[in-house]
Parts: sequence; C-alpha cells; structure tokens
Amino acid sequence: ELKVEQNPLFLSMQEGKNYTIYCNYSTTSDRLYWYRQDPGKSLESLFVLLSNGAVKQEGRLMASLDTKARLSTLHITAAVHDLSATYFCAVASYNNNDMRFGAGTRLTVKP
Amino acid sequence: GAGVSQSPSNKVTEKGKDVELRCDPISGHTALYWYRQRLGQGLEFLIYFQGNSAPDKSGLPSDRFSAERTGESVSTLTIQRTQQEDSAVYLCASSLRWGGPGTGELFFGEGSRLTVL
Repeated sequence: ELKVEQNPLFLSMQEGKNYTIYCNYSTTSDRLYWYRQDPGKSLESLFVLLSNGAVKQEGRLMASLDTKARLSTLHITAAVHDLSATYFCAVASYNNNDMRFGAGTRLTVKP
Repeated sequence: GAGVSQSPSNKVTEKGKDVELRCDPISGHTALYWYRQRLGQGLEFLIYFQGNSAPDKSGLPSDRFSAERTGESVSTLTIQRTQQEDSAVYLCASSLRWGGPGTGELFFGEGSRLTVL
C-alpha cells in the first residue's frame, strides 16, 4: 500500500527565513503533486512533478522530486505572511491514478 | 461547469439518519475521487472512479459507506446510519486520466461539511 509521510507537521517561521518541507513515499512513483489549503477552504494545486529531477518554482516556493530516493521537497525562500497555510503532498501509484496524500504541514509565518 | 461542484455545502443530521452527498466533476474528467477530512487532519482516501472501470473502494471505512458514479458524470456518496465519528468535510476531486491529455492533477470541490449530532 502506498504511504506518504510529510515532515514537519507543524512549522512556525519568521518572515524572511528559509525552510524546507519533506515528503517521503513508500512505493515506486513518478508523479508527485503539491497542494495548498487555506483555513476553511478547499485544496488548490501548486506544483506537478512528473519525472526524476523535476524542479518547479513559483514565487517563493520551489518543489523538487527525487524518484530514486522517493523524496520530494518544498523549499520556502524568504517567507512572507501570505504563505501561511497547510501544504499537502500527494503521490500517485505507478501506472495508476490512485492518489494518496500526506498528513499536511501547517505553516505559520510570523512577522 | 467551470469547476467541481459539491452539494450540499453543509449538512447537519441526527445520528442514525442516512445522508447523500453529491459531486459534479469538471466536464471531460474521467477520474473522480472522494476524500474525508476531519477537523485539523489530513485527507483520508475513500474511493476512486476511473471511467467505466471498477471503482477502487479500498478506502471506505465501513459498509455504511457507499458511492456510485454514472459513467463519467455525477457521483453520490451515501452514508447510512450516520455516527458522530462521520462528522467531517467530504471532498470530491476530479482529474483527466493520466497518460492522456492530462497530468493527473486533481481539481477539488469546496467540500460538503457533515455534522452528525
């Protein structure tokens, strides 16, 4: 069974600092997704990573995928308050659309 | 419609009653997922439909839960004899089939918040 683990689960950062969220998964996959969820809202897609070594960047967020290590990272650069949200990674089983989510990382950026 | 539509947005019911939640996916999306999200928790996979293939029901927590989908259109999630632990937000998502024109990225509805008293 595909298992997805994120860490940390809770992250409190000062504005302007850098940090990385990690997403590990248990079985072969070449598709990994990052989503953002604001309080009381649904999930919105941030990044789609479809191959080993894929790197995507949007503003202060950068996501990467290492399929050999079964690891994705979401790096936050010079955090701002607007980035406060819960971030989920999701992994699709190889050759399947079956999608499993990590537990989420609740990020709080403080002034 | 432009996005995934779910109804009702809020449902309050009494313990023991049956509830039905509806999801209308993005037109043309062959894959449809149901997830459960308890307060402050992550997403718990419930069921996955892909076109006319047999659904993956491996996440349904008990036989009180069932879901149907007609072709590639609307899906309903039914919870019979509701219990207080069923209280959660039920999220529906749809996507294009991986290997076709899409990336498998999920598009989520706003969710149906269920409260069982």
